[in-house]
Amino acid sequence: EVQLLESGGGLVQPGGSLRLSCAASGFTFSTYAMTWVRQAPGKGLEWVSAVSGSGGSTYYADSVRGRFTISRDNSKNTLYLQMNSLRADDTAVYYCAKAFLEWLPLDYWGQGTLVTVSS
Amino acid sequence: EIVMTQSPATLSVSPGERATLSCRASQSVSSNLAWYQQKPGQAPRLLIYGASTRATGIPARFSGSGSGTEFTLTISSLQSEDFAVYFCQHYNNWPPWTFGQGTKVEIK
Repeated sequence: EVQLLESGGGLVQPGGSLRLSCAASGFTFSTYAMTWVRQAPGKGLEWVSAVSGSGGSTYYADSVRGRFTISRDNSKNTLYLQMNSLRADDTAVYYCAKAFLEWLPLDYWGQGTLVTVSS
Repeated sequence: EIVMTQSPATLSVSPGERATLSCRASQSVSSNLAWYQQKPGQAPRLLIYGASTRATGIPARFSGSGSGTEFTLTISSLQSEDFAVYFCQHYNNWPPWTFGQGTKVEIK
């Protein structure tokens, strides 16, 4: 059974940093691209970032490029999102998700972790 | 960036009736279009990919159609568990792989 378990969310001040983790199990992690998607309270879904199975290719939304870094450790079956220079509009539930085909669609999602940026 | 526009924002439907949701892309995405369902407090679930292929375990009452810039998700006979928010997402070529803003299907 595929499982994705996010952790690392919490309350952080504007300008601060946070690292999210997503522990994966139930599939050959290194074979699949992985994605972070976020959802601000009461809002829709926003694609944030994606990384290839090998970790060699990464993509970012304009809203986070230069502030967020996606990475993965295939030996630990874990996906990461390093978030720096956090702003109030980064407040959201962050989901990690597994790609079904090359990059998309996303066939398995974690339960999400809440990041709140506030002073 | 390709902009995905869903309509209507809210759809009020009685159980057993048909629901038709629309998704429009600002430029062609071929058939690289997925639909997701999200219930309150839950993660999204993949329903349809390739514009018309149901994901594993998705009931036959869900169907997708369209290509290019115009897409439709049809729920043939709404069940109580189908009341949720539905999002489309393109995955054509390069990112950002944007989502539509969602359509909420509510009980009439």
